[in-house]
Amino acid sequence: DGGITQSPKYLFRKEGQNVTLSCEQNLNHDAMYWYRQDPGQGLRLIYYSQIVNDFQKGDIAEGYSVSREKKESFPLTVTSAQKNPTAFYLCASKDRANYGYTFGSGTRLTVV
Amino acid sequence: QKEVEQDPGPLSVPEGAIVSLNCTYSNSAFQYFMWYRQYSRKGPELLMYTYSSGNKEDGRFTAQVDKSSKYISLFIRDSQPSDSATYLCAMTLRTGANNLFFGTGTRLTVIP
Repeated sequence: DGGITQSPKYLFRKEGQNVTLSCEQNLNHDAMYWYRQDPGQGLRLIYYSQIVNDFQKGDIAEGYSVSREKKESFPLTVTSAQKNPTAFYLCASKDRANYGYTFGSGTRLTVV
Repeated sequence: QKEVEQDPGPLSVPEGAIVSLNCTYSNSAFQYFMWYRQYSRKGPELLMYTYSSGNKEDGRFTAQVDKSSKYISLFIRDSQPSDSATYLCAMTLRTGANNLFFGTGTRLTVIP
């Protein structure tokens, strides 16, 4: 089955630690996205990538980094510079010809 | 002013009721309109999409777009407990556009 796989489902981070969230898709979609979801704030765009080896900052990129070395993969690193990282992180992908996203099942990150 | 406004609810209805979910938007250039359904601790899934103004029906769901009022609606007939979820509206300028603009989501509970 085609889809987007995010891992892990739950992640705990200590203060000052970097963590990486995985996102893999087998839909052959060109574009991939990372969103953060907080209660009452909806989805906020962190980073997006339209092609391999290229990515753009979204609305809240500070404290995050990404890479796009393969079409199928778009990992997100939450760095220690992100002061409030506790949130639900969603990865999505889109085919160039379409306008809707396909979302992964999300990763819940908690700072301990 | 946010690009897309959506009443966060929560909204509770008895089973069998007709549910009306709504969003307003400020950018008259939006052409494609979507509704996503998100179950708790899951990623959003595309429920319905429409292009420009008009209605679209799919089973118990009807999506309505009024571009003159910058107002979109999702109606759910004969609501079921399995419809309990958060519903997010989303919109974009064109098929090749990079970003979707999301509402904050309305949390719906259908009581048996």
